[in-house]
Formats: sequence, structure tokens, C-alpha cells
Amino acid sequence: EIVLTQSPATLSLSPGERATLSCRASQSVSSYLAWYQQKPGQAPRLLIYDASNRATGIPVRFSGSGSGTDFTLTISSLEPEDFAVYYCQQRINWPLTFGGGTKVEIK
Amino acid sequence: QVQLVESGGGVVQPGRSLRLSCAASRFTFSNHGMHWVRQAPGKGLEWVAVIWYDGSNKYYADSVKGRFTISRDNSKNTLDLQMNSLRTEDSAVYYCARDRASTHIDHWGQGTLVIVSS
Repeated sequence: EIVLTQSPATLSLSPGERATLSCRASQSVSSYLAWYQQKPGQAPRLLIYDASNRATGIPVRFSGSGSGTDFTLTISSLEPEDFAVYYCQQRINWPLTFGGGTKVEIK
Repeated sequence: QVQLVESGGGVVQPGRSLRLSCAASRFTFSNHGMHWVRQAPGKGLEWVAVIWYDGSNKYYADSVKGRFTISRDNSKNTLDLQMNSLRTEDSAVYYCARDRASTHIDHWGQGTLVIVSS
């Protein structure tokens, strides 16, 4: 099973700041990595797939990069609605696995 | 837009069974693989199972293998999860979710809560 480790666990930032979230895989997942956003009481929402492709309707301030074992989700300038928990996910092989999540909170 | 509506959650005693269902609409259900993903209260996401678009392949997380069965009915646009021998650690919100390209999930239902407790 591929383990995804997200860091930091919590990121305290102010609106307008840049957020950089990390996801590291225990072995290569090529570019088969996705990012999701989840707000309290809501289902997750797909942000990024195949490491760097924005999903439909996702603002350009969200970007993904990386390949192999190291990946980054960047939010260029935090909007109030961006404070949430973010998960990475791989599916180069089964089982599909998620990272433990990074909470982006208001400083 | 894509709609996924789960049902069947509730409170059940350890060792008992429960069947979850997901009604899909506003897309061609038979063209997509489907997943169940769960989330224990205050915890992260845990993938449970996947079924191919035609039902020909199924994969399960080790934590549920042998106890849970995923199935689908393409004529009714429904996805099911039969959960047997339930344990307290199976308590979670269960999400029905649509697969995209066999690599990620592009749509999620709102979830149904399962509580396993005596």
C-alpha cells in the first residue's frame, strides 16, 4: 500500500497570503495524484488531478505540481472560502489511498 | 449536474449488517466506475471499495475485505454497499463517489452516517 504523508498538519495563514501544501508518497505514483478540498459538514471537492490539472470550475489561484514522490498544492492568494482541509490521493495501484490532510486555518 | 444521493445509514449493533445505496442521476451511470469512501468522525478520508463501470472488477480496502460487498445495477442507476459483521470502527460517514479515468474521483455524494454501537 502506498502511504501519502501530508505536511504540515496545520497551516495558519491570513487572507491574501500564499499557501504551500506538501504531499509525499512512499513510492512513485508518477503523476497519478489528486487534491481535494473539504469544508466542515461537506463532501470533498476535486481541485487538481494528474498532479497539475485543475478540475472544472476551480479558480486559477489553485495550482498543483510535482511527480514521482513529491507533490505540492499552492494557493497563490488565500480567499476567505479557502480555509478548509486539503487531502491528496493516489491511484497508481490499488488500494487507492489518501493522505492524512492539511488544515488551512485563519491566523 | 451530477447527482449522487446515498441512503441506508443508521445505528446498528456490532456484528449486524447494513446495506447502503446510492442513486445516481444526470450522467451516464454505466460509463463510470464507482467508489465508496468513508470518513470517521473528526478523521480523514478512507477509501473502501471500487467497482468497474460494468461490474467486471471490484477492489476493497483490507479493512473491509471479506465483510463488505460492492455492487451496482446499471439498469436502475444504483450503487450498493452490503456491510456485514460490522464493527465499531466501521462507524463513519459513507460517501458514494464517481470515478474518473480510474485515477481519481470527480464527484461525491453528501454521505450517509453509519453508527455501529451496542
